[in-house]
Amino acid sequence: AQTVTQSQPEMSVQEAETVTLSCTYDTSESNYYLFWYKQPPSRQMILVIRQEAYKQQNATENRFSVNFQKAAKSFSLKISDSQLGDTAMYFCAFSSGNTGKLIFGQGTTLQVKP
Amino acid sequence: DAGVIQSPRHEVTEMGQEVTLRCKPISGHDYLFWYRQTMMRGLELLIYFNNNVPIDDSGMPEDRFSAKMPNASFSTLKIQPSEPRDSAVYFCASSPGQKNTEAFFGQGTRLTVV
Repeated sequence: AQTVTQSQPEMSVQEAETVTLSCTYDTSESNYYLFWYKQPPSRQMILVIRQEAYKQQNATENRFSVNFQKAAKSFSLKISDSQLGDTAMYFCAFSSGNTGKLIFGQGTTLQVKP
Repeated sequence: DAGVIQSPRHEVTEMGQEVTLRCKPISGHDYLFWYRQTMMRGLELLIYFNNNVPIDDSGMPEDRFSAKMPNASFSTLKIQPSEPRDSAVYFCASSPGQKNTEAFFGQGTRLTVV
């Protein structure tokens, strides 16, 4: 069975600084997808970034980038130039096959301080 | 498209009452998912459908929970009878499937059973 682990329950960062959120996963699948979702206080689940396992290049979306280490089964999220609006809970998620079914980590609460 | 629409956004009910949560997925999406979010267990998949057919209901906690998808544009999650430990945020999500595995979430229903 696949599992996703986020070992940092809470983190904080100063506005404009860079922060990295950690995620590890376990799977025997060779082809899969990894995601980071953001959940602000409004509780809406917002996709931040996705990575396809067969792509070696790390995904980037503006200030958000990932460090995907397939052999180590690690998928960390780097947020550059942190903004107050980045304050939220962040979930790492795994999906295999083509269904969109997600397995989530426990989440990391990120607070960006002014 | 308006995205995944869930109703109600908030529901407060008394223990023993029947509760029905509703979801309208994004048009054209083949997969529909029901997730539950609690502090203790995080985000967990309850059940998912493919083309209106339930595929995996192994996450449904007990017989008090049931889900239906009578057509491609509507799904319900019913709890009967409800208990205080069912208090949680329930999310519905949909995915186009095939090569695009991104799941799109509704805004969730916060259920409180008193």
